[in-house]
Amino acid sequence: GDQVEQSPSALSLHEGTDSALRCNFTTTMRSVQWFRQNSRGSLISLFYLASGTKENGRLKSAFDSKERRYSTLHIRDAQLEDSGTYFCAAEGSAGNKLTFGIGTRVLVRP
Amino acid sequence: GGIITQTPKFLIGQEGQKLTLKCQQNFNHDTMYWYRQDSGKGLRLIYYSITENDLQKGDLSEGYDASREKKSSFSLTVTSAQKNEMAVFLCASSKGQGDQDTQYFGPGTRLLVL
Repeated sequence: GDQVEQSPSALSLHEGTDSALRCNFTTTMRSVQWFRQNSRGSLISLFYLASGTKENGRLKSAFDSKERRYSTLHIRDAQLEDSGTYFCAAEGSAGNKLTFGIGTRVLVRP
Repeated sequence: GGIITQTPKFLIGQEGQKLTLKCQQNFNHDTMYWYRQDSGKGLRLIYYSITENDLQKGDLSEGYDASREKKSSFSLTVTSAQKNEMAVFLCASSKGQGDQDTQYFGPGTRLLVL
């Protein structure tokens, strides 16, 4: 079936620094969604992309519009509240069903 | 805005027991989903439903039943709880069209089987 590979598995950042997370897909995907899960387990949707890029504050995401085989999430000027586990999830050709990566655990330190 | 509520928040069951988890959404979304998340792992789709009374199997449907009684509610049944099973069950909903395919999640039901 469709596979979603996330990297890195864990990331430690100092406040104020920038970093990037990546998701590779083993097949062409229709869309990608990025989520952040906090320590209590709440899952918040960050971005939905069918193509191109989207930006929201210090977060920016891109979805490779050509081959549709990877997506990135950039964190700019990391803050303590950015800590959490980030998941990407992609929708394959069958539609409706999201396949999730295993997540990137991000820890932002003072 | 809207909200997704899941009940119960915590569920402790016995091996072999049939357990039911409930989910309600007031987004007026068409599509609802049930996912299972095991510790340190991503989410896996159990069942989803694109409209009232519809049911579609996900990758992990074996051992579960689901029911979309009305547009706003979607319930999941663990048909026979497995000993020492521990997972979080997350319900989600989406409008189901283009950019409105964004899925919004409930707070989860944490299951522990003794």
